[in-house]
Amino acid sequence: DTAVSQTPKYLVTQMGNDKSIKCEQNLGHDTMYWYKQDSKKFLKIMFSYNNKELIINETVPNRFSPKSPDKAHLNLHINSLELGDSAVYFCASSLLGGSQETQYFGPGTRLLVL
Amino acid sequence: GIQVEQSPPDLILQEGANSTLRCNFSDSVNNLQWFHQNPWGQLINLFYIPSGTKQNGRLSATTVATERYSLLYISSSQTTDSGVYFCAPNTGGFKTIFGAGTRLFVKA
Repeated sequence: DTAVSQTPKYLVTQMGNDKSIKCEQNLGHDTMYWYKQDSKKFLKIMFSYNNKELIINETVPNRFSPKSPDKAHLNLHINSLELGDSAVYFCASSLLGGSQETQYFGPGTRLLVL
Repeated sequence: GIQVEQSPPDLILQEGANSTLRCNFSDSVNNLQWFHQNPWGQLINLFYIPSGTKQNGRLSATTVATERYSLLYISSSQTTDSGVYFCAPNTGGFKTIFGAGTRLFVKA
């Protein structure tokens, strides 16, 4: 069983479109995250959710809107896609969150905006 | 915010060689993780090591929190060790900062 799963794995779309990425974890964790990895492999946190509540919004444009319907899911919706949004987006989870926990990552969603 | 510096940025090893990767950080940390990103992009947690030394097979890690650095040792390297190694400290709260990574290629 996959611990942290993301769909889709690949996403190719035109500028200006709206798209969503879904993330699910079956580890029973309370905290979930979204990270963005650019073409130079730099990984940067975007959002942290704990018990469905937004904890961190790391100066991400408001075109990005995360939604957590329950503790096991954290989806990312992106409006009006731009070329610079092309990247790999990783979802992750940890048991309790905060600084004391190991994070487990999903396989990533490779987004290409044309 | 905390600054994270990893060295070397790139490393090429002959299979069977040993190596040490270093992570320096600019602030005190509550937590530090090491990750391996394989050539297919998957991020795997190697160690959760806020201080002290841990070993897992051919890999071991040491964090000296008072001196603000962590080391990842790879012994008897294998081609499957290739990829990018990230150091990721956390200074508290829900925000983990990733270093730029060390890109490792192990030649057969």
